[in-house]
Amino acid sequence: NAGVTQTPKFRVLKTGQSMTLLCAQDMNHEYMYWYRQDPGMGLRLIHYSVGEGTTAKGEVPDGYNVSRLKKQNFLLGLESAAPSQTSVYFCASRSPGIYNQPQHFGDGTRLSIL
Amino acid sequence: AQTVTQSQPEMSVQEAETVTLSCTYDTSESDYYLFWYKQPPSRQMILVIRQEAYKQQNATENRFSVNFQKAAKSFSLKISDSQLGDAAMYFCAYRSRPGGGADGLTFGKGTHLIIQP
Repeated sequence: NAGVTQTPKFRVLKTGQSMTLLCAQDMNHEYMYWYRQDPGMGLRLIHYSVGEGTTAKGEVPDGYNVSRLKKQNFLLGLESAAPSQTSVYFCASRSPGIYNQPQHFGDGTRLSIL
Repeated sequence: AQTVTQSQPEMSVQEAETVTLSCTYDTSESDYYLFWYKQPPSRQMILVIRQEAYKQQNATENRFSVNFQKAAKSFSLKISDSQLGDAAMYFCAYRSRPGGGADGLTFGKGTHLIIQP
């Protein structure tokens, strides 16, 4: 059981380049999330999705776009990368329900923008 | 919006001793969830323990327990019999209960826990 898998694990970009981070989960979770973690900070929510074909903005959405074309995948895109987007990016997913289902996290993607 | 504050950037404890990490939060909601996550150098986010605000009983998971004070909006983590493998960043996190998926976690800035052998 792989859980939440993020691709790639590391990437270096030049300012202005574009790229897409892929998050895949095999737990059939409805809800998926993208966070960023900067030095000395906790994780902050970028975008989230409550189901296939739906996305919504989180706390720090500017400069990012997302898509959820398939239930198991949640893509995070940077159209024109900026040095301020240098960060570690985490994807998470969870199951809905009346109980306190926790979020399951991927191992993160370290992204550096030069 | 909710905020989570961890006032201890770093804590150090001797192996086998007990340590308590502090967390306070600010919210106008009456029902919510609280979590402690551990992040070792491997960068994984590992759930340590969780607490539902409507439950008065403090959660426990083996050597880990919480002291949840709802009126004071305080949620501290106690680690008993500290082990070298407990060394990590610890993050306190808040989640609204109504959810429906629109319930991303709000994290504190973390506490770096050092275990002295």
